[in-house]
Amino acid sequence: AQTVTQSQPEMSVQEAETVTLSCTYDTSESDYYLFWYKQPPSRQMILVIRQEAYKQQNATENRFSVNFQKAAKSFSLKISDSQLGDAAMYFCAYGGAGGTSYGKLTFGQGTILTVHP
Amino acid sequence: GAGVSQTPSNKVTEKGKYVELRCDPISGHTALYWYRQSLGQGPEFLIYFQGTGAADDSGLPNDRFFAVRPEGSVSTLKIQRTERGDSAVYLCASSSEGGARWGYTFGSGTRLTVV
Repeated sequence: AQTVTQSQPEMSVQEAETVTLSCTYDTSESDYYLFWYKQPPSRQMILVIRQEAYKQQNATENRFSVNFQKAAKSFSLKISDSQLGDAAMYFCAYGGAGGTSYGKLTFGQGTILTVHP
Repeated sequence: GAGVSQTPSNKVTEKGKYVELRCDPISGHTALYWYRQSLGQGPEFLIYFQGTGAADDSGLPNDRFFAVRPEGSVSTLKIQRTERGDSAVYLCASSSEGGARWGYTFGSGTRLTVV
């Protein structure tokens, strides 16, 4: 079974600064997908960024970028120029590409991000 | 619809009662998923539908939990003989194709409280 670990229960950042959220995962599969989701108090999970395991290039979406280290099974999220609206719970998630993990997402425990003005 | 709609938004029920939670996915999305999120935790997989059939129900915790999707669109998660431990946010998500490749679109969830 796959596991996802987020070792930082809480993080804080000053507005306009940069913050990095950590995520490690464990899998025996060679093909899979990785995601970062944001969950504000409204409860809706919002997809922030995704990475396909077979792609070596790190994904980037505007102020959000990832550092994907496949051999180390590490998938960190960097938020640049942090904004007050970035404050939320962030979840790292693993998605299997086949087999028994097909169609499922396995989530980490989450990191609460606070942005200070 | 434009997004995934879940009703009710909040549900309070007494221990031992039966509840139904509804999910209306994005129009045209063939895949539908249910997750359960306990307080302070990440969501946990319950069941995955592809069309009308349950492609994977391995996450349902016991036989008190059941889900249906009779016409391949709206889905209902049914919980019999509710227990206090069932209290959680139940999230529904949908995607245009099966599998997790593109992630899902989630609804805002139903917060179930069993008293």
